Amino acid sequence: NAGVTQTPKFRVLKTGQSMTLLCAQDMNHEYMYWYRQDPGMGLRLIHYSVGEGTTAKGEVPDGYNVSRLKKQNFLLGLESAAPSQTSVYFCASSPSFWGRRLSGANVLTFGAGSRLTVL
Amino acid sequence: DAKTTQPTSMDCAEGRAANLPCNHSTISGNEYVYWYRQIHSQGPQYIIHGLKNNETNEMASLIITEDRKSSTLILPHATLRDTAVYYCIVRSPGGSQGNLIFGKGTKLSVKP
Repeated sequence: NAGVTQTPKFRVLKTGQSMTLLCAQDMNHEYMYWYRQDPGMGLRLIHYSVGEGTTAKGEVPDGYNVSRLKKQNFLLGLESAAPSQTSVYFCASSPSFWGRRLSGANVLTFGAGSRLTVL
Repeated sequence: DAKTTQPTSMDCAEGRAANLPCNHSTISGNEYVYWYRQIHSQGPQYIIHGLKNNETNEMASLIITEDRKSSTLILPHATLRDTAVYYCIVRSPGGSQGNLIFGKGTKLSVKP
């Protein structure tokens, strides 16, 4: 199994350009997440999804949009990139539960990350 | 969700056990303790979790005190590849996942 795959791994944008980060998971997980990580800071949740066709805002949603048209894919879009969006982006997924353990919803599998630079 | 407190950094000799503490004095009865780690530039990796009983898997052991106000992650034979930032997170199970909050964690350095 590939787990969680993010594309692209690296991207350089100019201010005002748009782009989409793709996250794909092959574990049939219900939940998917987009985080960003900046130097010296922890992971901050941008948006998340609890199922196909549903999305919700996280801690730092401004400037980003997401879509989950298929269960296995979660897309993160930047409509007009800004230098403040220079960061490493991580996608993650988790089951709604884990076997008989409800606690599995907090067992996240992360992708390798996408490094975005906005000039 | 309960807050956690971890030391900023720790060192461990290669081959020795690494014991990483976490305080979560405000933990509530239905909250689990989760541990993740992040090796430099990689995505975080789930290690283990537990409620009140000690847990062990192929990666580590988790010891939770009887009052559940603190826990210790044990890497029994640390290797250089275990050098990473370790995150202790307390969270209730199930439900829609708003914020699984990763704080600053403990930077573990395993030295030869």
